[in-house]
Amino acid sequence: NAGVTQTPKFQVLKTGQSMTLQCAQDMNHNSMYWYRQDPGMGLRLIYYSASEGTTDKGEVPNGYNVSRLNKREFSLRLESAAPSQTSVYFCASGTGANQPQHFGDGTRLSIL
Amino acid sequence: QKEVEQDPGPLSVPEGAIVSLNCTYSNSAFQYFMWYRQYSRKGPELLMYTYSSGNKEDGRFTAQVDKSSKYISLFIRDSQPSDSATYLCAMSAVAGGSYIPTFGRGTSLIVHP
Repeated sequence: NAGVTQTPKFQVLKTGQSMTLQCAQDMNHNSMYWYRQDPGMGLRLIYYSASEGTTDKGEVPNGYNVSRLNKREFSLRLESAAPSQTSVYFCASGTGANQPQHFGDGTRLSIL
Repeated sequence: QKEVEQDPGPLSVPEGAIVSLNCTYSNSAFQYFMWYRQYSRKGPELLMYTYSSGNKEDGRFTAQVDKSSKYISLFIRDSQPSDSATYLCAMSAVAGGSYIPTFGRGTSLIVHP
């Protein structure tokens, strides 16, 4: 049972570089989410997709874009990385509104 | 003031102690309440999920919701060193079928042998 799989697990970028974080779930969940977690800040929602074909902004969307490629996959793109985007990024999935979420183990991203 | 407040700790207890972890919230519309456990360098994993008020028990864990006081608790009985982790509360509202839960910032728990 893979659950929610995130790739890569670690990445170091230079300021201005772009990259895409990948997320896939094998639980047939409708909803998918991207969070960032910073010390003392807790989990902050970047974007979410309530169902295949829809995406919506969360609390901190600036500097990011997302694509819900199909029901399984939800990617997060940084077009021009900035040091303020150094963080641990978590992808999560869930069956729908007000239901618990299942999280991946995160991507640790450092931007120099 | 954040919608959900959670003391970051750390909370350090001896093995075998009863642990009480708490969150307070301000949004009276919250109806769904969750507790997640997060080990170092891992993603959060669901521990408890409750709807509305009352208690729910699962093994050594008990979740309690007091909507009148806007206060939720997670109790851990007979705590073990393997319980050392960060515990996150989360909650969401019924109205509008919210897809966005509100998370607390997490409480770090250390159970020492």
